[in-house]
Amino acid sequence: DIQMTQSPSTLSASVGDRVTITCRASQSISTWLAWYQQKPGKAPKLLIYKASTLESGVPSRFSGSGSGTEFTLTISSLQPDDFATYYCQQYDTYVTFGQGTKVEIK
Amino acid sequence: EVQLVESGGGLVKPGGSLRLSCAASGFTFNDAWMSWVRQAPGKGLEWVGRIKTTTDGGTTDYPAPVKGRFTISRDDSKNTLYLQMDSLKTEDTAVYYCTHGYSILNYFDYWGQGSLVTVSS
Repeated sequence: DIQMTQSPSTLSASVGDRVTITCRASQSISTWLAWYQQKPGKAPKLLIYKASTLESGVPSRFSGSGSGTEFTLTISSLQPDDFATYYCQQYDTYVTFGQGTKVEIK
Repeated sequence: EVQLVESGGGLVKPGGSLRLSCAASGFTFNDAWMSWVRQAPGKGLEWVGRIKTTTDGGTTDYPAPVKGRFTISRDDSKNTLYLQMDSLKTEDTAVYYCTHGYSILNYFDYWGQGSLVTVSS
């Protein structure tokens, strides 16, 4: 099974900060990686797929990069609506999610 | 507008069974690979399994924690996805989400609102 490890688990930041979340795969997954945002009590929302392709309607302050085993999600200027938990997901071989990164207000 | 609406959740005793349904609309259901994803209280996301289109054989895949206990099926005539859960354990307690997979890729562009399943004596 492919394991996905996110870091950090929790991130404290302020509005306007540049935020980076890292996701590592236990083996190469090419660019078969997605990122989701989840707010309390809500279903996850797709942000990025194929490692760097922005889903329609997602603000351009979100970006993704990486290939193989190392990936990053970057929020260029954190907005109040961005405080949430973020998950990476590999879909190279079945599906595995990272454990999540909670972005909280500093 | 795509809608996925789960139903059937509730309280069940360990060892019991429950069937969730997901009513789909706003897209061509019989063309969609569908999955279930769950989230235990305060925990992360866990994939529970998927079903391919009938055209692609209608085959299913499951991760180890639920294989042999959970069964995913579909009724294309009713635009409905099902999750039959047997031999339930307390660790199966979670919100279960019905998800739409993009094409044959296993990332999820649409999610239902979730249905809570509680396994407790």
